[in-house]
Amino acid sequence: GAVVSQHPSRVICKSGTSVKIECRSLDFQATTMFWYRQFPKQSLMLMATSNEGSKATYEQGVEKDKFLINHASLTLSTLTVTSAHPEDSSFYICSARDAGIREAGNTIYFGEGSWLTVV
Amino acid sequence: GEDVEQSLFLSVREGDSSVINCTYTDSSSTYLYWYKQEPGAGLQLLTYIFSNMDMKQDQRLTVLLNKKDKHLSLRIADTQTGDSAIYFCAEVGGGKLIFGQGTELSVKP
Repeated sequence: GAVVSQHPSRVICKSGTSVKIECRSLDFQATTMFWYRQFPKQSLMLMATSNEGSKATYEQGVEKDKFLINHASLTLSTLTVTSAHPEDSSFYICSARDAGIREAGNTIYFGEGSWLTVV
Repeated sequence: GEDVEQSLFLSVREGDSSVINCTYTDSSSTYLYWYKQEPGAGLQLLTYIFSNMDMKQDQRLTVLLNKKDKHLSLRIADTQTGDSAIYFCAEVGGGKLIFGQGTELSVKP
């Protein structure tokens, strides 16, 4: 199946600094990518939908100035957590929609996630 | 609105069958999905079903869909300890995947 790579898989940063997480589609073009946040033992909460070449669409309650999303190419989207605080510590997962049609019904592929710890 | 609900926990013995249930609200969903998440890892797509189907079988996995009741289930036959994980059902709403809360499956030897 298609591969989505997230980097870094784990990151620790100091409170007040910014941290960037990358999401890459390795063998397909992704016109749309999604960023989720997951707290321990909880479901995935959609933060924003990222479309290549345009501004991201944020879900209600997600601060767009705090969680900057850039989707500058068909294979890369980045999430930057600005001025990070300990409450931003979480598991962040991206997914990417394959612009081609390989298999009807299975067009969204997930990355392995990134653990962010803010100390 | 869109809402997907699952029971939170299921415990079975190794070798038994597991049945994880899910209800959804968006009747226009064309596909419904089951994902598996192991501790500390991302999501693994297990299987999916097209909305005009009642059942789909894939090796040990059987998906049943009751579109009238908006009820989806995942049956895992001969459950193994390696099946212990959190299982999420998801529907597509507004072009986005909407996830249930996840069911934590615990398999006891």
